[in-house]
Amino acid sequence: AQSVAQPEDQVNVAEGNPLTVKCTYSVSGNPYLFWYVQYPNRGLQFLLKYITGDNLVKGSYGFEAEFNKSQTSFHLKKPSALVSDSALYFCAVRDNYNTDKLIFGTGTRLQVFP
Amino acid sequence: IAGITQAPTSQILAAGRRMTLRCTQDMRHNAMYWYRQDLGLGLRLIHYSNTAGTTGKGEVPDGYSVSRANTDDFPLTLASAVPSQTSVYFCASSRGQGNTGELFFGEGSRLTVL
Repeated sequence: AQSVAQPEDQVNVAEGNPLTVKCTYSVSGNPYLFWYVQYPNRGLQFLLKYITGDNLVKGSYGFEAEFNKSQTSFHLKKPSALVSDSALYFCAVRDNYNTDKLIFGTGTRLQVFP
Repeated sequence: IAGITQAPTSQILAAGRRMTLRCTQDMRHNAMYWYRQDLGLGLRLIHYSNTAGTTGKGEVPDGYSVSRANTDDFPLTLASAVPSQTSVYFCASSRGQGNTGELFFGEGSRLTVL
């Protein structure tokens, strides 16, 4: 079965420190991977995606993600966290049996402390 | 640019009542989706439509129906609401047709069934 796992319900980090939000996936065929962010009482917003090419993908707000095929991971990273980065983050993978659909993880709440 | 518009933003509903959540997009996207978001469960796909005139069942379709009479509108109907349908509902769209583009989300409709 195709799936996405986000092993951490919450990640806490001090402002200015690097952050990592973890994601692993299971998919048939080539993985198309996405990260979304949700601020309180808002819809999800696209951050970045990996389709092919360079394993390090850069996205919005200074975020980047590293695709690792051998570990089937797509961790979200940022070199220096901001308090305003505090939000709910979702990893997603394209359903390769219905390529218009995304399969979402359960989300990780990022809390950045001043 | 409106993007995705959902209505109502919030609704309290008595069990057994019929309710339709409205969703309109102005991006001429082919594919549209309805998700529900519940604490600890992340986003779960209810129904989707790859193109106008077609619909499909997602992960949790029971108790819900959709229609896609045209490209722009994708209403979600609860024929007889039950308390377990208390949730936040998100409509989304994408270019679809196998594209690797991201989903665009509305701001959500918070539904409480008493």
